Amino acid sequence: EAGVAQSPRYKIIEKRQSVAFWCNPISGHATLYWYQQILGQGPKLLIQFQNNGVVDDSQLPKDRFSAERLKGVDSTLKIQPAKLEDSAVYLCASSFRGLENTEAFFGQGTRLTVV
Amino acid sequence: TQLLEQSPQFLSIQEGENLTVYCNSSSVFSSLQWYRQEPGEGPVLLVTVVTGGEVKKLKRLTFQFGDARKDSSLHITAAQPGDTGLYLCAGARRNYGGATNKLIFGTGTLLAVQP
Repeated sequence: EAGVAQSPRYKIIEKRQSVAFWCNPISGHATLYWYQQILGQGPKLLIQFQNNGVVDDSQLPKDRFSAERLKGVDSTLKIQPAKLEDSAVYLCASSFRGLENTEAFFGQGTRLTVV
Repeated sequence: TQLLEQSPQFLSIQEGENLTVYCNSSSVFSSLQWYRQEPGEGPVLLVTVVTGGEVKKLKRLTFQFGDARKDSSLHITAAQPGDTGLYLCAGARRNYGGATNKLIFGTGTLLAVQP
């Protein structure tokens, strides 16, 4: 079974530029999560999709971050314009239904450096 | 606001020693998961605990869920260098509307086991 695919693996941009990350979840997984992880810390949930609908985006900085999952499969996360403090690893995860006991499977992440 | 606090934040021990990692919160969770993350990779699920007071064993790892479902611990017996990594607890809470859960991660414990 193929895992969660993310691209790119690494990205370096200047502040005020824009960047986009792509995620393809495990086939059949209805729930998709985007997390931001600062080095050495736990991941922080940015947005959660159930199929193509948003179920939680309470911690998404909506003035600069946006995400979509138009067909309920793959997803993109965009930052525009980027700030220095956005430097982090962006992790995408998926789970079958997003209920209790459901394992979240993670991709390898995209390491973003804003200079 | 970090709902799940882990302690210690860092731990460096010698091979063969025992250790315990704690995950504490003032909030109740419907279930709690423990993940391990290696450098450059996404977190990987170790265990899920659901019932208050539940204890699960995975080889040399013992996981316990607090009676009130607010805290958890991970105990490793006779640690090995292969146990090195970032250990993350994650609590499941209902999304608004109650149809799905969101996964909230703890602050993380970075473990280094020296040979």
